[in-house]
Amino acid sequence: KAGVTQTPRYLIKTRGQQVTLSCSPISGHRSVSWYQQTPGQGLQFLFEYFSETQRNKGNFPGRFSGRQFSNSRSEMNVSTLELGDSALYLCASSLEGLRGTEAFFGQGTRLTVV
Amino acid sequence: GDSVTQMEGPVTLSEEAFLTINCTYTATGYPSLFWYVQYPGEGLQLLLKATKADDKGSNKGFEATYRKETTSFHLEKGSVQVSDSAVYFCALMEDKIIFGKGTRLHILP
Repeated sequence: KAGVTQTPRYLIKTRGQQVTLSCSPISGHRSVSWYQQTPGQGLQFLFEYFSETQRNKGNFPGRFSGRQFSNSRSEMNVSTLELGDSALYLCASSLEGLRGTEAFFGQGTRLTVV
Repeated sequence: GDSVTQMEGPVTLSEEAFLTINCTYTATGYPSLFWYVQYPGEGLQLLLKATKADDKGSNKGFEATYRKETTSFHLEKGSVQVSDSAVYFCALMEDKIIFGKGTRLHILP
C-alpha cells in the first residue's frame, strides 16, 4: 500500500510570506503528526492530529498551525515566515495515535526561507 | 520532561566491524522505544522497536533491547556494511515522539 506522501518536496519562500505543506497518511491511518528537523535543534515535535482534532502540541509559536480533514489528510501552515523556519518538515502517520503504535514517516518537505 | 540522549557522531567504522550506538532515555511513564534511520535526502524509516521492558527489537541484523533498569536502548549490529551508512535516531513515544540528536554513521569499504 502507498506510504506517507508529502507535497511539495521543496519550497523556497521569502521572509514574511506564509506557506502550506500537505501530508497524506497511509490509507486507514487516522493520526498525523508533524516534526521540524534542523541541524541545530534536531527533530522536534510540532503537533498531532487525530480524527480532525489536535491532540497534542509542541513548543512552537502560534505562527505554526495545522488542520486535518475528514479523509485524514493534514496540512501545516506557517505564517510570517522567518529565516529560522528553514528546515525539513516531516509528517508521520499512525493507525490510532502515538501511544504504543508505529509511526511511518514521509520523505519530508524542505522549506528554505530567503 | 521526557528526553533521549544518544552518542555523538560521526562514527566511522570499517566494513564488517561491530557497531554499538548508545541511547539512554528519561520518561515519566512507560514509553515505547524506537530506532529510526535516515538516508541522505530521505525521510525517516523505522528500523526496529520495543514496546515494553526486556523486549528485543531486531531488523536487518540490527538489535536493541529495552532495558528499564538502565533506561537504555543501545543499537548493535555484528557486522556492518557500507550500505548501513546513514543517520540513526533513537526515539521514545508516549503522547508524542521525542528524538535523540542523531548519530551519523560512516562505513568504509
